[in-house]
Parts: sequence; C-alpha cells; structure tokens
Amino acid sequence: QKEVEQDPGPLSVPEGAIVSLNCTYSNSAFQYFMWYRQYSRKGPELLMYTYSSGNKEDGRFTAQVDKSSKYISLFIRDSQPSDSATYLCAMIDSGGSNYKLTFGKGTLLTVNP
Amino acid sequence: DTEVTQTPKHLVMGMTNKKSLKCEQHMGHRAMYWYKQKAKKPPELMFVYSYEKLSINESVPSRFSPECPNSSLLNLHLHALQPEDSALYLCASSQRSSYNEQFFGPGTRLTVL
Repeated sequence: QKEVEQDPGPLSVPEGAIVSLNCTYSNSAFQYFMWYRQYSRKGPELLMYTYSSGNKEDGRFTAQVDKSSKYISLFIRDSQPSDSATYLCAMIDSGGSNYKLTFGKGTLLTVNP
Repeated sequence: DTEVTQTPKHLVMGMTNKKSLKCEQHMGHRAMYWYKQKAKKPPELMFVYSYEKLSINESVPSRFSPECPNSSLLNLHLHALQPEDSALYLCASSQRSSYNEQFFGPGTRLTVL
C-alpha cells in the first residue's frame, strides 16, 4: 500500500462547478498537510497548508483534514478555467523525516468554459 | 519578495558537458531544496540544505553536485549526465527544514542529449 493515495483523474468539470479533490494516507505520523497546484511545465504553487483536523478556507479554496480517517480534501468553489492544472497533495510526518514532503501522484483537473 | 527564482528556464546539454543550475530566494528562508520531477510524476527530493549546510542527500549520483554559497543562493552543478536525467529540476525553500511549508521555484527544464 502506498503511503499516500490520490486519484490521478483526469477530472473534467464545467465552469462554476464545485470540485472535490481527495487524498488518503496510511502513515499516522503524517501531521502536516499541503495542497499544491501545478500548471503544465511550471513549478508547484502552494495553495493551502494545515496541521490540524477541520477546515481551512482561503477564498474559493477549502482544505479539509480528517486525521481519524486519514483523509484530506481540497474543495474549489465556483471553479474557473484558470483552475485547470494538476493538484498535488503533500504531507510531512512528525518523526525522523520531518523535512520531507510525501506527495500524492497528483490529480489533473480541467475546467471547461 | 515572496518568490523563488531559477535560472536558466531551459537547458540542453551533452553527456560530456558541465553546467550549473541556479536558485535564489530573498524570503529569509534557512532551508533550501533540490527536487527532480519527471513528466506526470510528483517531485522527488534530491538534496536539503539547512543553514547553508548539506543536511540530506537522498542517495543522488555524484554527477549531481549541490552548493550553497550563502543563505539566499543554491546551485546544482551537473557533470557527465545521462539522457535519463532529463527532467524538470525544481528548487524550493522553507523557513526551516522541518515541519514547514515549502515554496517552489518555476523549475529548469533540462534535456540531456
């Protein structure tokens, strides 16, 4: 079982839709969670960073963490064509590898006008 | 300044060439990272510098040689690379090397002929 599982998609939605992106993980030591957006042939851009269970909102983006279920989500409201990108979840564990991001494989999202 | 910059954007080199990639940040971050990313894969960690000292080498071949001249600069020296080393090379920085969100640069797209 991989440490972090992320549905690679592709996911295609109409403009204005609510998008839900998800990752599950198996390592209980993961305590810090990030979502990155990566446009084609560009570097990853940090969208959200959180370390507690619950919701964190930033504009149209909401990150949700459920540590008891080992499940994290990113919701995008009122999705726009400019949101079309690959979304990567990433996690840091609280043990010896506390410097290392463990990434999901990424979900490719297309928002159609 | 909240950016990580990388130069060059693109690099094509032969297997006998020596070249260098450069990364710069002016956010006062004391940890800097090199990642390698192949197409449709998440980034893979190569090196971690913490307070200008190499703290992590993820078993990277010696044809990749990192250097941190000061707290704002990170270089990656390349020598005798193989075609399979062609990839997007990403630099990232964070406040410290543990538990902190990492900010990525745009990357250098390297092609080895």
